[in-house]
Amino acid sequence: DAMVIQNPRYQVTQFGKPVTLSCSQTLNHNVMYWYQQKSSQAPKLLFHYYDKDFNNEADTPDNFQSRRPNTSFCFLDIRSPGLGDAAMYLCATSGGTGTYGYTFGSGTRLTVV
Amino acid sequence: AQKVTQAQTEISVVEKEDVTLDCVYETRDTTYYLFWYKQPPSGELVFLIRRNSFDEQNEISGRYSWNFQKSTSSFNFTITASQVVDSAVYFCALSESYLDSNYQLIWGAGTKLIIKP
Repeated sequence: DAMVIQNPRYQVTQFGKPVTLSCSQTLNHNVMYWYQQKSSQAPKLLFHYYDKDFNNEADTPDNFQSRRPNTSFCFLDIRSPGLGDAAMYLCATSGGTGTYGYTFGSGTRLTVV
Repeated sequence: AQKVTQAQTEISVVEKEDVTLDCVYETRDTTYYLFWYKQPPSGELVFLIRRNSFDEQNEISGRYSWNFQKSTSSFNFTITASQVVDSAVYFCALSESYLDSNYQLIWGAGTKLIIKP
């Protein structure tokens, strides 16, 4: 089945140690998104790619970076994770404007120790 | 300004009761899309429905039904004969035309639904 796959499902990292989360899709969607979701809150958009065009949200910390080497893959890099970065990270895709819906991966739950 | 309001932070009902989750939205656009997502304790977001602004027809899918009323800017979600497996956080979301939204989803705060056996 076409889907959005996030690895790993759970990630534990040390304070200040760079970590990379990955997302892949088999939907061939143009747009890929990274969301951060903290407990009991709505997902918060960090950035998105429309094809190769990168769009950063104004309030996304510089500590968060992203790469999209091809249509299928997108990575979230956290350069120096702090305790406040512990959260669920959700990858999503949409075809074009997103008006036909967004497909979410299962998420990566990041713990910072 | 665009906004989605889910006034009910948490709802608790006994199994087999009907329950309605409210969603009220604000938008400048005449073309927009509304969504409901379910997020069980495992954390993944499960798509439930998409409705465009030109289609006010209500929809029923099994025990789930949605009532879209543009006159009151509401898109409410009803679960009939609730089951324990319905326990989750439910999010309502809005997507405007891409020219305004830059492809963003505007999320409500979510309603935590607890179904007690």
